[in-house]
Amino acid sequence: AQSVAQPEDQVNVAEGNPLTVKCTYSVSGNPYLFWYVQYPNRGLQFLLKYITGDNLVKGSYGFEAEFNKSQTSFHLKKPSALVSDSALYFCAVRDRGSSNTGKLIFGQGTTLQVKP
Amino acid sequence: GAVVSQHPSRVICKSGTSVKIECRSLDFQATTMFWYRQFPKQSLMLMATSNEGSKATYEQGVEKDKFLINHASLTLSTLTVTSAHPEDSSFYICSARGGQAGAIWSTYGYTFGSGTRLTVV
Repeated sequence: AQSVAQPEDQVNVAEGNPLTVKCTYSVSGNPYLFWYVQYPNRGLQFLLKYITGDNLVKGSYGFEAEFNKSQTSFHLKKPSALVSDSALYFCAVRDRGSSNTGKLIFGQGTTLQVKP
Repeated sequence: GAVVSQHPSRVICKSGTSVKIECRSLDFQATTMFWYRQFPKQSLMLMATSNEGSKATYEQGVEKDKFLINHASLTLSTLTVTSAHPEDSSFYICSARGGQAGAIWSTYGYTFGSGTRLTVV
């Protein structure tokens, strides 16, 4: 069964420090991987995706993520956190080999709290 | 970029009435629309997938007669919550996938609406 796990409900980091939000996945075949951010009472905003190519993916707002096939992980990172980065972050995967309609499977979400 | 407009952003309705939520893709053709439900501080639960011009595919446990989905055009999909009850109160989000490989999809992935907060009283 396809699944995505975000092991941390919440990540706390001081402004200016690096941040990591963890994500691991389990799918058949090679995955499409995504990170989205959600602010209160808003939809999801696309941050970045991995389809193929370089394992290090750079996205919006200074975020990046590293695809690690051997560890089946796709952790989200940022070198220097901002208070405005505080939000709910979702990792998602679509199984490239699936014959489904391309629906995304979401992780549980991780709340990022950046303190001044 | 790809934009999905979702309306209303917030709605309060009386128990027993029906509510319609609209999602429009503004600058691309949404061949597939996904409808999600989200409870406070929880992940998104996929309710159904709809392709333009065909019947929606509902996830297990989702009542198709209660959550009516129409995807009559490449730019508009609607979710109607029929005979709403307080337990239907939730945050509903649509997501669109459109274009062909190499175009919108591979540039933007899936585009989400801004969500609708439904409160049934």
